[in-house]
Amino acid sequence: DQQVKQNSPSLSVQEGRISILNCDYTNSMFDYFLWYKKYPAEGPTFLISISSIKDKNEDGRFTVFLNKSAKHLSLHIVPSQPGDSAVYFCAAAYSGAGSYQLTFGKGTKLSVIP
Amino acid sequence: GAGVSQSPRYKVAKRGQDVALRCDPISGHVSLFWYQQALGQGPEFLTYFQNEAQLDKSGLPSDRFFAERPEGSVSTLKIQRTQQEDSAVYLCASSPPGLAGALYNEQFFGPGTRLTVL
Repeated sequence: DQQVKQNSPSLSVQEGRISILNCDYTNSMFDYFLWYKKYPAEGPTFLISISSIKDKNEDGRFTVFLNKSAKHLSLHIVPSQPGDSAVYFCAAAYSGAGSYQLTFGKGTKLSVIP
Repeated sequence: GAGVSQSPRYKVAKRGQDVALRCDPISGHVSLFWYQQALGQGPEFLTYFQNEAQLDKSGLPSDRFFAERPEGSVSTLKIQRTQQEDSAVYLCASSPPGLAGALYNEQFFGPGTRLTVL
């Protein structure tokens, strides 16, 4: 049973346009959400996060939106650049669990076309 | 500064062989995690250490998997009698001591060890 779902395995966007990556979760105990970016043969790299007490967090070209009632979050990248081409993983955590383990989605492969 | 390092980067094992995967976390990081990433999937939690104490091993798939961190720094994930379904990338992550008031501390991942069991 997938607790974190990324339903789009891939996404192609033109350079300069907005990329929107979506993520849904089922466990209402999750209270912290993160996006990681992964290049081939490298480990995931932290991109941006949001706690459940917020609905938006922005860092440069990256913005994460959280809709708790819909159990949905999205990552917006604007403007998209060719170097953004990578696999993006949505992850969730329950801070009360004690171990801070992350539960990941399957990832969305973003291709930014020059 | 140095990030999380893992060795070997690639390991090919014959079915039934024992393997040991090493993780060197970032210096000073208290928490250490192991994840398993199968092809086309996201990483899945295996186990968690705080210093030398293994506080959560709920994700270990069978008793063939064993992890240790005896001195609270380097960790080893051991898989006994490897099976083909153990083929995956094994990721190690570490995170620093908790910041006051912080809900969560970022996990820094290593490059992973790709294990192939023939």
